[in-house]
Amino acid sequence: NAGVTQTPKFRVLKTGQSMTLLCAQDMNHEYMYWYRQDPGMGLRLIHYSVGEGTTAKGEVPDGYNVSRLKKQNFLLGLESAAPSQTSVYFCASSSGNEQFFGPGTRLTVL
Amino acid sequence: GENVEQHPSTLSVQEGDSAVIKCTYSDSASNYFPWYKQELGKGPQLIIDIRSNVGEKKDQRIAVTLNKTAKHFSLHITETQPEDSAVYFCAASSGYSTLTFGKGTMLLVSP
Repeated sequence: NAGVTQTPKFRVLKTGQSMTLLCAQDMNHEYMYWYRQDPGMGLRLIHYSVGEGTTAKGEVPDGYNVSRLKKQNFLLGLESAAPSQTSVYFCASSSGNEQFFGPGTRLTVL
Repeated sequence: GENVEQHPSTLSVQEGDSAVIKCTYSDSASNYFPWYKQELGKGPQLIIDIRSNVGEKKDQRIAVTLNKTAKHFSLHITETQPEDSAVYFCAASSGYSTLTFGKGTMLLVSP
């Protein structure tokens, strides 16, 4: 099993560009999450999903959108990237308690 | 919402010493408290967790204690080794399977 995978691993964007980060899990987990990690700020929840077709806002949702069209995939979109969105993004999945994290995507917005 | 405070932000110990990281939480409804270890360039990985109906849990060199009355919980690592060097995060969950994380502690174990 691959666990949780994220694509891409690295990306550089210019201000105003858009992109989509893809998260995939092969553990049949119901719950999926997107976090951002900034120095000294820990992990902050952006959006999450409690099942296929559902999404909910986390602590820092502004500037991001998500979709969960298939149970195994959770997409994070940036419609108009801003330098403040420079961060490392982690996806996680869970069946209820322990969250399993992907390897992360390092995004730089110039 | 939940607020989790974690201390210290950095901790340096000598190999073989013990390390203690402390966290406090604000929501008395929180009932699940995991600890994650993050190595450089990787995603966080669960190392131990505790539920609100238990006061202490041990797994080899790692232990976690919980004081519900004071709303704080701690991670104890004994006989530290260089491979324990990493960033450690505490977290609390009060429902809907979401976690609120502390800001992390960078542990450095010197040989």
